Amino acid sequence: SQELEQSPQSLIVQEGKNLTINCTSSKTLYGLYWYKQKYGEGLIFLMMLQKGGEEKSHEKITAKLDEKKQQSSLHITASQPSHAGIYLCGADYTGNQFYFGTGTSLTVIP
Amino acid sequence: ETGVTQSPTHLIKTRGQQVTLRCSSQSGHNTVSWYQQALGQGPQFIFQYYREEENGRGNFPPRFSGLQFPNYSSELNVNALELDDSALYLCASSLDEREETQYFGPGTRLLVL
Repeated sequence: SQELEQSPQSLIVQEGKNLTINCTSSKTLYGLYWYKQKYGEGLIFLMMLQKGGEEKSHEKITAKLDEKKQQSSLHITASQPSHAGIYLCGADYTGNQFYFGTGTSLTVIP
Repeated sequence: ETGVTQSPTHLIKTRGQQVTLRCSSQSGHNTVSWYQQALGQGPQFIFQYYREEENGRGNFPPRFSGLQFPNYSSELNVNALELDDSALYLCASSLDEREETQYFGPGTRLLVL
C-alpha cells in the first residue's frame, strides 16, 4: 500500500500559469516534507511543515498542511521553466523510516 | 550542492552479480539512509544507519545490505542482482536519527542486464 498519494501524476502548464500539487496521507502526518527532483538526479529539499494549518513560502512556491494533518498542497505562482521537475512529498511516520509519495512530474512550456 | 556525494554515477551489471555503491555524507551527519527509485516512481526506503548500526529497514530482502563507517562514508551492497534491481539508488544524510531534514546525493544509476 502507498502511504502517500500525490495528484496529479503529471502536469503540463504554460509559463506564467499557477498550479497546485496535492499530497494525501493514509495516516496522520507529524511532519510533511516537499522535495524537488530534476530528472534522474538527487532530491532537493524545499520545505517542511509540522503544524496543522501551517503554511510556508519560498520564492514562488507555497506549501500548506491542512488542519487535520492528512493532506498537504504545494502551490506554484507564475510558473517558470526552472520549476520543471518532479515534486515529491515525504513523511516519517515511525521515526526511522521515511516514505515518499508517488511524485508529480511538472513540465512548464515557455 | 548538498555536500553528499555518491559513486559511481552509472553502473552496468549482469544478473547474479554483486554490486557495491558508495556514499559520502556531510561531515557530522551520523545518519545515512538509502533509497531505491525505479523509473517513474517515488524513492522507496531501503534502510537507515545511525552511528554504524542499522536503525530501520524497509521492505527489501537480505541481499540488500549496508555498512556505515566512522568517516561519514557508507556502502550499499546488493548480492545476486536481479533485473528489477535496475534503478536510481539515492543516499541521504541527516544530523541524527530524529533529524528529518535529509540531504540527498545525486544518485547512482544501476542497470542490470
